[in-house]
Amino acid sequence: EPEVTQTPSHQVTQMGQEVILRCVPISNHLYFYWYRQILGQKVEFLVSFYNNEISEKSEIFDDQFSVERPDGSNFTLKIRSTKLEDSAMYFCASSESWQDYGYTFGSGTRLTVV
Amino acid sequence: LAKTTQPISMDSYEGQEVNITCSHNNIATNDYITWYQQFPSQGPRFIIQGYKTKVTNEVASLFIPADRKSSTLSLPRVSLSDTAVYYCLVGDRQLTFGSGTQLTVLP
Repeated sequence: EPEVTQTPSHQVTQMGQEVILRCVPISNHLYFYWYRQILGQKVEFLVSFYNNEISEKSEIFDDQFSVERPDGSNFTLKIRSTKLEDSAMYFCASSESWQDYGYTFGSGTRLTVV
Repeated sequence: LAKTTQPISMDSYEGQEVNITCSHNNIATNDYITWYQQFPSQGPRFIIQGYKTKVTNEVASLFIPADRKSSTLSLPRVSLSDTAVYYCLVGDRQLTFGSGTQLTVLP
């Protein structure tokens, strides 16, 4: 079964540093997403991406965040000037079409900001 | 955006059928109903999606009455490994996850 691959699985960074979380979506999928889940809380939508541009973004996705598809396979989330409250699981997801609500999620990157 | 309401938690025993009902009174005409499962420290996993009546796949069934104001996820013969949080989502491309239903399967 095709998978969404995320790296690294764990990342520890110091407050104020920049981190890049990486994702390899399923190869024939065209829509890409980032979500986060703070420990013990709900899964929250951050951003959706299609055709090399952001389709939708939440209030959480402010200027501190950016996404990029640097090549034909990777999809990245950059978090600048990390804060303690950015500590969370970050999930990447992809879907084949706009009508497809059955997104495939990766196993996540646990980001710890110290 | 249709608000969904589902039980906070449910317990079941291995081998039983589990039904989790979600109410979505203000569902829009074009909205689909989607269910996800999430294990601790893992990403949500798509289970099933439907629009009306009944949908079945190898994992679950989804029952949707004619008025579509509710839906029931049915898991046949659950095992310990089905212990997870189950989310009902309606017509939401951003996938707004609520608190879900924590299903605990007991031996």
